[in-house]
Amino acid sequence: EDQVTQSPEALRLQEGESSSLNCSYTVSGLRGLFWYRQDPGKGPEFLFTLYSAGEEKEKERLKATLTKKESFLHITAPKPEDSATYLCAVQASNQAGTALIFGKGTTLSVSS
Amino acid sequence: DAMVIQNPRYQVTQFGKPVTLSCSQTLNHNVMYWYQQKSSQAPKLLFHYYDKDFNNEADTPDNFQSRRPNTSFCFLDIRSPGLGDAAMYLCATTGSTNQPQHFGDGTRLSIL
Repeated sequence: EDQVTQSPEALRLQEGESSSLNCSYTVSGLRGLFWYRQDPGKGPEFLFTLYSAGEEKEKERLKATLTKKESFLHITAPKPEDSATYLCAVQASNQAGTALIFGKGTTLSVSS
Repeated sequence: DAMVIQNPRYQVTQFGKPVTLSCSQTLNHNVMYWYQQKSSQAPKLLFHYYDKDFNNEADTPDNFQSRRPNTSFCFLDIRSPGLGDAAMYLCATTGSTNQPQHFGDGTRLSIL
């Protein structure tokens, strides 16, 4: 069964304290892995797409990496405005159309 | 500028009283999705349209129906809402396989 597991469930950081979020996946053929940010009461906001092992993407303080079994979202010198829930989702080759399988997310809190 | 717009943002209905949620998009994307997201849970795909072709997930209750009268609009109908249907309902669109999905800000449904 295709599955996505994110860890930790919650993460508290001080401003400037770098860390990483993990997304482990089990799929029969990966089409793509997606990272989203979700603020309370809002829909997920797209951050990155990764397609193959070894690929990396960066945006401001965020960097996403991909291996054959997991993806990491590295947050460098976070600021309070980075506080949100970060969702990982995969698109498997055996899924109809373009359906995504989401993890439960990591809720990040950054205090000043 | 909002590209995927969901109305209303908040909906309260009575147990068993039919309710309709709406989604519109300005992206001219041919794929539209409906997800259900409960508190601290991953978004769960209910169904999606590829153009006018409707694709229902196997575990989506019969209580949930959808209509897509044209490219821009999609509706989610809950025929007889139960207490367990209280959730955030998210609409998303994409233009093609492997492209990221763009989400609206959701409709928070409460059942009295």
